[in-house]
Amino acid sequence: SQTIHQWPATLVQPVGSPLSLECTVEGTSNPNLYWYRQAAGRGLQLLFYSVGIGQISSEVPQNLSASRPQDRQFILSSKKLLLSDSGFYLCAWSVSSGPQPQHFGDGTRLSIL
Amino acid sequence: GDSVTQMEGPVTLSEEAFLTINCTYTATGYPSLFWYVQYPGEGLQLLLKATKADDKGSNKGFEATYRKETTSFHLEKGSVQVSDSAVYFCARYNQGGKLIFGQGTELSVKP
Repeated sequence: SQTIHQWPATLVQPVGSPLSLECTVEGTSNPNLYWYRQAAGRGLQLLFYSVGIGQISSEVPQNLSASRPQDRQFILSSKKLLLSDSGFYLCAWSVSSGPQPQHFGDGTRLSIL
Repeated sequence: GDSVTQMEGPVTLSEEAFLTINCTYTATGYPSLFWYVQYPGEGLQLLLKATKADDKGSNKGFEATYRKETTSFHLEKGSVQVSDSAVYFCARYNQGGKLIFGQGTELSVKP
């Protein structure tokens, strides 16, 4: 069966520090991959999605970037964190073809001090 | 543009009460529809889905029927439990593999 792993589960970082969150998927090949942010108001904001290695689409302009160095690895990064980057970050995957659901990781709680 | 609208929360119910969380969508065509549940501090879990008109998705006592006439996909459960307390998200499939989510509805079930 397929599984998705995100780490770390929680992270406290100072303003201006770099960020790297990692997400890996097991048990499937060539998945679509997604990064979301969930602010305190519960809504989900799609940040990035990827349909293949090295293929990244950004949904909103921001201080973050994403990379997909391997088929089942998705990384969210920042060179300099802002206070506004605080939130709950969720990685998800879906089968690459057809109207399929997305499957989510357990999330990373990021607090910026 | 296409969107998903859920009823405002929080919804507070007593244990064993009947639950309805309304969800309506805008779309061209007939997109697949989903309900997700998010327990505190966790990611979203797929609860149920329906892929075409009149389909009924069901799981863990929850049900939702794809109604194309009213463009709705309301979530129902006959008897809620304290353990059902969570945030529920309605979503519709969008092109390119993306999902459009509603804003989420918080459910609190009291013993």
